Amino acid sequence: DQQVKQNSPSLSVQEGRISILNCDYTNSMFDYFLWYKKYPAEGPTFLISISSIKDKNEDGRFTVFLNKSAKHLSLHIVPSQPGDSAVYFCAATSWGKFQFGAGTQVVVTP
Amino acid sequence: ETGVTQSPTHLIKTRGQQVTLRCSSQSGHNTVSWYQQALGQGPQFIFQYYREEENGRGNFPPRFSGLQFPNYSSELNVNALELDDSALYLCASSSDLTGANTGELFFGEGSRLTVL
Repeated sequence: DQQVKQNSPSLSVQEGRISILNCDYTNSMFDYFLWYKKYPAEGPTFLISISSIKDKNEDGRFTVFLNKSAKHLSLHIVPSQPGDSAVYFCAATSWGKFQFGAGTQVVVTP
Repeated sequence: ETGVTQSPTHLIKTRGQQVTLRCSSQSGHNTVSWYQQALGQGPQFIFQYYREEENGRGNFPPRFSGLQFPNYSSELNVNALELDDSALYLCASSSDLTGANTGELFFGEGSRLTVL
């Protein structure tokens, strides 16, 4: 029962350009949505979150958009930097139980 | 401030054996969650502990069990290991239930279990 889906396993983007990562979900009871970033041999690190009552949250170069009617969220990274190369997980939570997507591998090229 | 630490980092077991994985939560954190990450997949929620009590469980069989100690460190025990239990097991801590519910989780580097 995959309630959170990331349909793009990988994304390649040029340094300085925008990275757009997408995520779809099926459970309308989720109350928070978030993005985590993972480097090899490290645990995931929290990046940014958004409450289900909002449609946008911004933190520096990172912006998360939530479209509840479409059950879709996206992460925008502008401008992309080489250090952004990592696996990005979309996640959603309801009553403390988290569901993660399968992840998108982002590669930022010079 | 020390982060979340897990041990061991790697281990190999055979089918039918039992394994115990350990996690020390970040200083001041009283909530610990465990996740299983199979190859090519995202982390799957196993269970969460808050102040030594289980507080939520994912779709994992009873042979997956846990403990949280008074110092908020935690153990994950898996009995009767199966080949499909091979995965990265991640521990995450947060400062309180609110943090755990909204996503402010701090992950350890994980314990990679291989079952032969």
